[in-house]
Amino acid sequence: EIALTQSPGTLSLSPGERATLSCRASQSVSSGYLAWYQQKPGQAPRLLIYGASSRATGIPDRFSGSGSGTDFTLTISRLEPEDFAVYYCQHYGSSPPVPYTFGQGTKLEIK
Amino acid sequence: EVQLVESGGGFVQPGESLRLSCATSGFAFSSYSMNWVRQAPGKGLEWVSYISSSSSTIYYADSVKGRFTISRDNAKNSLYLQMNSLRDEDTAVYYCSSSVGSGWYLPFDYWGQGTLVTVSS
Repeated sequence: EIALTQSPGTLSLSPGERATLSCRASQSVSSGYLAWYQQKPGQAPRLLIYGASSRATGIPDRFSGSGSGTDFTLTISRLEPEDFAVYYCQHYGSSPPVPYTFGQGTKLEIK
Repeated sequence: EVQLVESGGGFVQPGESLRLSCATSGFAFSSYSMNWVRQAPGKGLEWVSYISSSSSTIYYADSVKGRFTISRDNAKNSLYLQMNSLRDEDTAVYYCSSSVGSGWYLPFDYWGQGTLVTVSS
């Protein structure tokens, strides 16, 4: 079972700045099956990125994903006030019987 | 508009049972695989269970295997989670989520708002 480690645990930035979030896998992620989700307090997660670098429907282009193998990055080019939230990476499509793993999350907070 | 609405959460004692439901609309439910994901208070996301569009393939997290049963009714566009022998550590918000397509190699595109399950003596 692949484990995902996200860093940093908390990232403090100001609106307008660039955010870089990391997700490292314990083994190589097959076919780039890596997704990123955003979760705001009291809300359900929202899919941002899938296939490591493809934006989900309706996601602004300031969000971008990159990486392969074991190292993946979510970049928010210019932070908007609504971007401050918790971000999770997910490996999907791993070999059953446990096809899905989430990272522990990175909290992006206003500095 | 895609909608997933969970229900059935509540307060139960350890060892008791609960059945969660997820009513869906706005998408081709019978063609999509579905999942349950939970989140303990103040914690991260934990995948719980997967069911394929035809119910032919089902997976469970080790933490719930043998106690939880996932099922679906494609005629009613609904997903279910039967939870037996509940433990304190099952306390969480439970989300149903769907993938666009049928297969376990897909991300979770749509999510419900969640239903809270509290297990305590």
